[in-house]
Amino acid sequence: EPEVTQTPSHQVTQMGQEVILRCVPISNHLYFYWYRQILGQKVEFLVSFYNNEISEKSEIFDDQFSVERPDGSNFTLKIRSTKLEDSAMYFCASKGGRGRYEQYFGPGTRLTVT
Amino acid sequence: GEDVEQSLFLSVREGDSSVINCTYTDSSSTYLYWYKQEPGAGLQLLTYIFSNMDMKQDQRLTVLLNKKDKHLSLRIADTQTGDSAIYFCAESINDYKLSFGAGTTVTVRA
Repeated sequence: EPEVTQTPSHQVTQMGQEVILRCVPISNHLYFYWYRQILGQKVEFLVSFYNNEISEKSEIFDDQFSVERPDGSNFTLKIRSTKLEDSAMYFCASKGGRGRYEQYFGPGTRLTVT
Repeated sequence: GEDVEQSLFLSVREGDSSVINCTYTDSSSTYLYWYKQEPGAGLQLLTYIFSNMDMKQDQRLTVLLNKKDKHLSLRIADTQTGDSAIYFCAESINDYKLSFGAGTTVTVRA
């Protein structure tokens, strides 16, 4: 069964450093998403991406964040200058085209900013 | 705006039915979802229901939707120890995002 994959599973970085979290969505899916879950809190939407552009973003997704689909398979989230409060589990998700309503999540990347 | 509420904890005996409840505020919600998260794992899609349906059944899982009261429930029949997890309710208004509740931790005791 196809699945969303994410790398790395755990990333430790120092405050102020740039990190790139990588995701491989399910092949032939058209909608891509990033969410995050701070320990003990709700899963929060960050951004959605469709047709090679951001379709919606939350207020969390400020200028420090960017997303990219550099080729036909990867979907990345970049945090330019990490802060302590960026420490969280980051989930990538993907969904098929219009008329498909199932959003499938990857296993997550745990980001620890020290 | 979207706001999804769930009770935080549920303890159930093995073999009994579990009922997890959720309320949402946005009447524009088109799809409502249940996800399961086991310790250290990602979010597993369990089931979803379109807002014009009242009920959906999938093996041991039954979803009930009361659109008037904006209330969603997930019933797990014959609950097993492997059902111990956090269950998240989520709503979607468009193709672009899900809004999640805080999750209900279900503990199955022998």
